[in-house]
Amino acid sequence: GQNIDQPTEMTATEGAIVQINCTYQTSGFNGLFWYQQHAGEAPTFLSYNVLDGLEEKGRFSSFLSRSKGYSYLLLKELQMKDSASYLCAPEYGNKLVFGAGTILRVKS
Amino acid sequence: DAMVIQNPRYQVTQFGKPVTLSCSQTLNHNVMYWYQQKSSQAPKLLFHYYDKDFNNEADTPDNFQSRRPNTSFCFLDIRSPGLGDAAMYLCATSTLAGEGGETQYFGPGTRLLVL
Repeated sequence: GQNIDQPTEMTATEGAIVQINCTYQTSGFNGLFWYQQHAGEAPTFLSYNVLDGLEEKGRFSSFLSRSKGYSYLLLKELQMKDSASYLCAPEYGNKLVFGAGTILRVKS
Repeated sequence: DAMVIQNPRYQVTQFGKPVTLSCSQTLNHNVMYWYQQKSSQAPKLLFHYYDKDFNNEADTPDNFQSRRPNTSFCFLDIRSPGLGDAAMYLCATSTLAGEGGETQYFGPGTRLLVL
């Protein structure tokens, strides 16, 4: 397997910033997706990184370091609706390999 | 709106009774995927079609089959469901595979319960 490692759960307060880390194996790696999945629903696309560095998209940003096999998703100005599972999904060839997800709980 | 549709949203079947899940798309995407996702686990790719070219994952049990009669529709057939096959089944689509960076768009999923 590609040994995708991301924390199982995180808790943060409404309005705060949270960073969700992900590490993966670099062999055969193309790029990395982040998906958001609310309980009982389908994953929805958040971001894709192929180059090193930070990609910012509104309240969400995603960072990639290809040499380190490391990515993070940064969520700013947290809202209650951000409570969900966040799936790290590196791409190998033309396939995504999903991590088990990080359950983020936003509390008021 | 262009979308990926899965029917039914919930499916109950009996142990050993064949069941078919369906997926349709209006995105006109070449690639369609089937994933199995068990509670608190990662979606696991079962197989995918690139146009009519079927690609099975090495560890997908023989119990799982798929059909893609045309671009828009794809079916997942479970020939003899076991209790361990209870899961959410997710269909996804993307444009041309092979170049990397192709976003996959997911349907709402079908939750399968095996009694």
